[in-house]
Amino acid sequence: QQPVQSPQAVILREGEDAVINCSSSKALYSVHWYRQKHGEAPVFLMILLKGGEQKGHDKISASFNEKKQQSSLYLTASQLSYSGTYFCGTELGGYQKVTFGTGTKLQVIP
Amino acid sequence: NAGVTQTPKFRILKIGQSMTLQCTQDMNHNYMYWYRQDPGMGLKLIYYSVGAGITDKGEVPNGYNVSRSTTEDFPLRLELAAPSQTSVYFCASEGPGRGKTEAFFGQGTRLTVV
Repeated sequence: QQPVQSPQAVILREGEDAVINCSSSKALYSVHWYRQKHGEAPVFLMILLKGGEQKGHDKISASFNEKKQQSSLYLTASQLSYSGTYFCGTELGGYQKVTFGTGTKLQVIP
Repeated sequence: NAGVTQTPKFRILKIGQSMTLQCTQDMNHNYMYWYRQDPGMGLKLIYYSVGAGITDKGEVPNGYNVSRSTTEDFPLRLELAAPSQTSVYFCASEGPGRGKTEAFFGQGTRLTVV
């Protein structure tokens, strides 16, 4: 079951904040976040496990609401380097495959 | 460590031809995956493997086959290539602890079927 991401695309000015949401119709074990720049492979950002985790590094953080089967990625004080497509991947059980959403295209402009 | 290595980087196939996309990882990861990514779209899981000798279908397995005879290698076979298989193919590996680690992606194979 593919997770649903919103918004599909967003344009920010440098320094602005953004939130990207990822939701599932099934109970989740974990949520993975990746960023992909044009023409490159996806790069890992963070993994959140069920239990209502919140994680972050630098100005990018994420939360996982197990009851709502939802995760949100927060980008604060955006930088030009944040531009790319963000994918969430969801896992239904502890030993199952990761299924990715359709992505959110983020563009940061000066 | 080289990480996940995919070959070739680019390939043009004629309709009906076959080919194997190679993927190898040197991190001793149990989990390996093959995804395809169509232009402007997300990643669709083709096949995955939880260890040597064990493979399973993902969301879009038709027209593909895989094998996993060793921990390191996870080749993807395309039989009778069709234009609908034009895509970028990514191999990824993950491990050892399931659900607690990041997936490492190869640099991708850009395949065009004409």
